Amino acid sequence: AQSVSQHNHHVILSEAASLELGCNYSYGGTVNLFWYVQYPGQHLQLLLKYFSGDPLVKGIKGFEAEFIKSKFSFNLRKPSVQWSDTAEYFCAVSGNAGNMLTFGGGTRLMVKP
Amino acid sequence: KAGVTQTPRYLIKTRGQQVTLSCSPISGHRSVSWYQQTPGQGLQFLFEYFSETQRNKGNFPGRFSGRQFSNSRSEMNVSTLELGDSALYLCASSSYSGAETQYFGPGTRLLVL
Repeated sequence: AQSVSQHNHHVILSEAASLELGCNYSYGGTVNLFWYVQYPGQHLQLLLKYFSGDPLVKGIKGFEAEFIKSKFSFNLRKPSVQWSDTAEYFCAVSGNAGNMLTFGGGTRLMVKP
Repeated sequence: KAGVTQTPRYLIKTRGQQVTLSCSPISGHRSVSWYQQTPGQGLQFLFEYFSETQRNKGNFPGRFSGRQFSNSRSEMNVSTLELGDSALYLCASSSYSGAETQYFGPGTRLLVL
């Protein structure tokens, strides 16, 4: 069975600090990786995705993530966070047999102005 | 294009009743997936429909069922509601089934009393 672990449940940063959110997965097969964000009062939005190719993927709003296959990791990074990045972030994985996403538990990020 | 829409947005039911939730995917999308989001269990996959056929099913009891119509709109039904069914139910759509990005709707918040 596939699983996703997000080790940081709550993160508090000051504006302009750098961000790295950890994501590790367990899946026996070809894997597709996603980061979604849920801003307060809004629905889940896609930040970035990895299907194949360059393991360093860039998403919206200055976010990027690196797929490290040997470590089963897909960590999310942003060099300088803003107050508007306050949200909950979810890492998710799927295989190629359908659109079943397995989500991590989420990380609540609070950015202090 | 209009996004994924879900109706109703809020619903209050009592134990033992049944409920039907509706999802209209993005125009042209043929795959619809349903997820349950709770504070305790996080985001969990319920099922996926593609071209009116259930493609994948999560680990939920048979009280949870769904269907998809020829216009790709989908409904999910929960019978004999339990208190633990209180959750945000999210619908996501994608063009096809398999290695696709899913786009989420705002959800239906169900409260079971």
